Amino acid sequence: GDSVTQMEGPVTLSEEAFLTINCTYTATGYPSLFWYVQYPGEGLQLLLKATKADDKGSNKGFEATYRKETTSFHLEKGSVQVSDSAVYFCALTSSGAGSYQLTFGKGTKLSVIP
Amino acid sequence: DAGITQSPRHKVTETGTPVTLRCHQTENHRYMYWYRQDPGHGLRLIHYSYGVKDTDKGEVSDGYSVSRSKTEDFLLTLESATSSQTSVYFCAISARAGEDEQYFGPGTRLTVT
Repeated sequence: GDSVTQMEGPVTLSEEAFLTINCTYTATGYPSLFWYVQYPGEGLQLLLKATKADDKGSNKGFEATYRKETTSFHLEKGSVQVSDSAVYFCALTSSGAGSYQLTFGKGTKLSVIP
Repeated sequence: DAGITQSPRHKVTETGTPVTLRCHQTENHRYMYWYRQDPGHGLRLIHYSYGVKDTDKGEVSDGYSVSRSKTEDFLLTLESATSSQTSVYFCAISARAGEDEQYFGPGTRLTVT
């Protein structure tokens, strides 16, 4: 079945540091890929998405590129802020009929210190 | 913000008692989902619905049932709660399946003692 593997955390960075959170996937067909973010005590929010190979999703300074050849969707940000402290989830949904569910990675907790 | 509410937000119950969690949406979205979130597991799908009275099982459906009698409401029932069902439960909605974004509710923290 489909699966998502993301780097284990927690990740602790200083403010203005560069962020990379690795995400690789296994899926049949042509999945759509997502990054969700969960702030403390809240539900998940969509951060960005990409629906086909070589697409780049971007939002709030975060970027991720859909790499079919390496089955990856790594999240990057050039300069993190304390307000970026949260848990980040990589997820996919497969194309085709009956593709109703998101498959999530286990999440990576990011802490940004001043 | 998408109009999704969950009730209750917190609940403590005893082993063996029935529990019902409610998800209510004001977006008129067709698809609704129930997930549980546990440390080290991310989010796992319990059940989903693709229309009124149309539901199907997800990855971790054992011990759970659902019902959807109206577009706006999706109920999750634990017929006889067990300690292994202590978790945070999230409802989500989407207009379409597949590549469409899912919008999540604020969650319900359930503790089974």
